[in-house]
Amino acid sequence: QVQLVESGGGVVQPGRSLRLSCAASGFTFSSYGMHWVRQAPGKGLEWVAVISYDGSNKYYADSVKGRFTISRDNSKNTLYLQMNSLRAEDTAVYYCAKERVVKAVGGYFDLWGRGTLVTVSS
Amino acid sequence: EIVMTQSPATLSVSPGERATLSCRASQSVSSNLAWYQQKPGQAPRLLIYGASTRATGIPARFSGSGSGTEFTLTISSLQSEDFAVYYCQQYNNWWTFGQGTKVEIK
Repeated sequence: QVQLVESGGGVVQPGRSLRLSCAASGFTFSSYGMHWVRQAPGKGLEWVAVISYDGSNKYYADSVKGRFTISRDNSKNTLYLQMNSLRAEDTAVYYCAKERVVKAVGGYFDLWGRGTLVTVSS
Repeated sequence: EIVMTQSPATLSVSPGERATLSCRASQSVSSNLAWYQQKPGQAPRLLIYGASTRATGIPARFSGSGSGTEFTLTISSLQSEDFAVYYCQQYNNWWTFGQGTKVEIK
């Protein structure tokens, strides 16, 4: 079954850290670029970060640059998002999403997970 | 950053009627435009890419058009399962999404 399943969300205090995971199955994970996208409560979608299929290239939205780190373990078919120095405005559902084209970054997303909620609050 | 603006914010339509959703880019994105459908509590689902190509398994009642800065998603005859929020996304220069159009039952 082709799917992405996020985990690791929860309630965290401002300034603390959290690591999200995204487990992939049903496709050759190591061949595709992967993204994190977030959605604040009642708001639209915001792209957060991307990593190339082999982990050699990583790019971030300005809103998270220097605080978040995207990584992947192709041996475990898992994508990660390390989130440090969390702020209230980082509160959102975080989705992982797969690039459509093999070994490319810069396209659209043809598979999304159901998301994991991160709440930053004291 | 390319800003994507969707209109209207909410569209009230009766089942069986046609729905037309608009998406405008702040600068040209060529045909690098995708549409997604999202239902409450679910992941977004790819509908259209390349501005006008339906994704695998998407019914023919969904169609996309446009290029450059003006795009349209048309649902020719709304079914009950089509009531949802629709987002456009440009992937010409990084990735940005519109704020969404909610299609609700009239």
